Amino acid sequence: EIVMTQSPATLSVSPGGRATLSCRASQSVNTNLAWYQQKPGQAPRLLIYGASTRATGIPARFSGSGSETEFTLTISSLQSEDFAIYYCQQYNTWPPNPIFGQGTKLDIK
Amino acid sequence: EEQLLESGGGLVQPGGSLRLSCVVPEFVFSSYAMSWVRQAPGKGLEWVSAINVGGSRTYYSDSVEGRFTISRDTSENTLYLQMNSLRVEDTAVYFCASGLSYSNYWGQGTLVTVSS
Repeated sequence: EIVMTQSPATLSVSPGGRATLSCRASQSVNTNLAWYQQKPGQAPRLLIYGASTRATGIPARFSGSGSETEFTLTISSLQSEDFAIYYCQQYNTWPPNPIFGQGTKLDIK
Repeated sequence: EEQLLESGGGLVQPGGSLRLSCVVPEFVFSSYAMSWVRQAPGKGLEWVSAINVGGSRTYYSDSVEGRFTISRDTSENTLYLQMNSLRVEDTAVYFCASGLSYSNYWGQGTLVTVSS
């Protein structure tokens, strides 16, 4: 089974700053990688799919990159509403068995 | 707004059963495969099960295979998850979500607590 590892576990950044979150797959997932944002008590919100395509309505300050086993989510010019937990998810396997990373908590510095 | 609405959660004893429901907007239900994803208290996300658009193909994680059954009712635009032989470790918020891969539509979740 593919293992998704996110780093760091917690990231503290000042509002207006830039956040770089990493996700590593234990084997290649091509670009079948999504990123989600989750706030307390809420459902996850899709940010990025296909490693780099922003979902509908997602601001341009969110960008994704990477392929194979190494992926990055970058949030530029952090807004107060961006402080949340972020999960990566691979969906490369068939039959489907989407695997999530353990999450990165983005904190206000 | 594309609201998916789960129901059916609650407190159940180990070994018991529960059926979750998720009412889905028609334009989502008719176009997307559907999934259940769960989140144990204070933990991350775990995919549980999925079903294709036509309802003919179902998929399960190893942790629930043989105990849970996913189904969908097109006439009611409703997704179901029948959960049998529940274990303490099944305690979680259960979300319904669109798609077999990534999910762009999610419900708000329903809490299932398995405890004696």
